[in-house]
Amino acid sequence: TQLLEQSPQFLSIQEGENLTVYCNSSSVFSSLQWYRQEPGEGPVLLVTVVTGGEVKKLKRLTFQFGDARKDSSLHITAAQPGDTGLYLCAGARRELTGGGNKLTFGTGTQLKVEL
Amino acid sequence: ETGVTQTPRHLVMGMTNKKSLKCEQHLGHNAMYWYKQSAKKPLELMFVYSLEERVENNSVPSRFSPECPNSSHLFLHLHTLQPEDSALYLCASSQEQDRRYNEQFFGPGTRLTVL
Repeated sequence: TQLLEQSPQFLSIQEGENLTVYCNSSSVFSSLQWYRQEPGEGPVLLVTVVTGGEVKKLKRLTFQFGDARKDSSLHITAAQPGDTGLYLCAGARRELTGGGNKLTFGTGTQLKVEL
Repeated sequence: ETGVTQTPRHLVMGMTNKKSLKCEQHLGHNAMYWYKQSAKKPLELMFVYSLEERVENNSVPSRFSPECPNSSHLFLHLHTLQPEDSALYLCASSQEQDRRYNEQFFGPGTRLTVL
């Protein structure tokens, strides 16, 4: 079973603070995605990282894929209340048989940013 | 309509009822998925359809029955459910073309409560 452990599980911070969320596994993934989910809604894709060591930036969010493609991190600079939500990482492995693109989802990090 | 839509958004049913969840994707994708999201558990993949053919059934009880009449529509038929089946049921779609990317797009989910 492929497991993706996220840490921390819960994070409550003040507006303007920086934070980092980690996503770790013992398995190698061909790509890794980060999603944000708000209450009562489905996850929304933020970014996909593919190459080991890759860094992608999305405004105040910085995503990094580990060199060995087993882990990833999400760093938020100057957090805002609008960043509040459940952050999920999801790893993909190339399937040799069958169809569909199967993802293994992480355990999630619930972030709350307060004024 | 754009993206992935799901109906109903909320459903309360008794253990002897029969109901169906509907998902429609407007993205031109050729793979669709059902996930179950319970509190404090990672997203659980239930079913995968690729090119309208079921390619994955992750040991889901037979009281859940999927149907994919075409590449844009996906149903989940529910029959004699248990209270522990109460959860958020999410539908997703992706383009089965480059498995390395595995980007999935989610609907808003159906919040199911089984009494």
